[in-house]
Amino acid sequence: GAGVSQSPSNKVTEKGKDVELRCDPISGHTALYWYRQSLGQGLEFLIYFQGNSAPDKSGLPSDRFSAERTGGSVSTLTIQRTQQEDSAVYLCASSPQGSETQYFGPGTRLLVL
Amino acid sequence: DQQVKQNSPSLSVQEGRISILNCDYTNSMFDYFLWYKKYPAEGPTFLISISSIKDKNEDGRFTVFLNKSAKHLSLHIVPSQPGDSAVYFCAASAQPEYGNKLVFGAGTILRVKS
Repeated sequence: GAGVSQSPSNKVTEKGKDVELRCDPISGHTALYWYRQSLGQGLEFLIYFQGNSAPDKSGLPSDRFSAERTGGSVSTLTIQRTQQEDSAVYLCASSPQGSETQYFGPGTRLLVL
Repeated sequence: DQQVKQNSPSLSVQEGRISILNCDYTNSMFDYFLWYKKYPAEGPTFLISISSIKDKNEDGRFTVFLNKSAKHLSLHIVPSQPGDSAVYFCAASAQPEYGNKLVFGAGTILRVKS
């Protein structure tokens, strides 16, 4: 079956611009996660959606970052007024109800000039 | 502070031999551990996991060992194959403290030489 998909695969933007990154989780998966990986670093948790519960936003680095998940499926991560330190690979993952295993998409490579 | 540490940034192994990747953690609340493999320009792929109630889990060429008293886990790959060359990430979770979010190590680059 189809895995987690993300778009765009690459995004180059100018400092100060807003960007939107999209994630389509695996059909039927109730949980959706956003992580980011900066150069030479491990994956850093950003935000977590589970069903209709309030999202866990504890990993968002600043109020310039926000995310929503519409209809319990597709999610959009928005970064406002991008900074150069936002440059990273943004990864989305999903998992089925009752499972702790997360399945990752290919990521969006964001470069802020 | 890093709660999950992979102290070896890279490892080089001859094809056919055993690869041992190590991971240490500091938070005793972690109760589930996973290994992911990542190729360049791709997302991490789930490999194998282990619950804290076990000390070993095996899946084909991959075995994960957990030593809770030492807060240490390792991934054994035997025999190693050139296609195993990738970055390997160790991850941990702690229900209910962290929900299902994973805490990752920085990764170890494995190179399997033919």
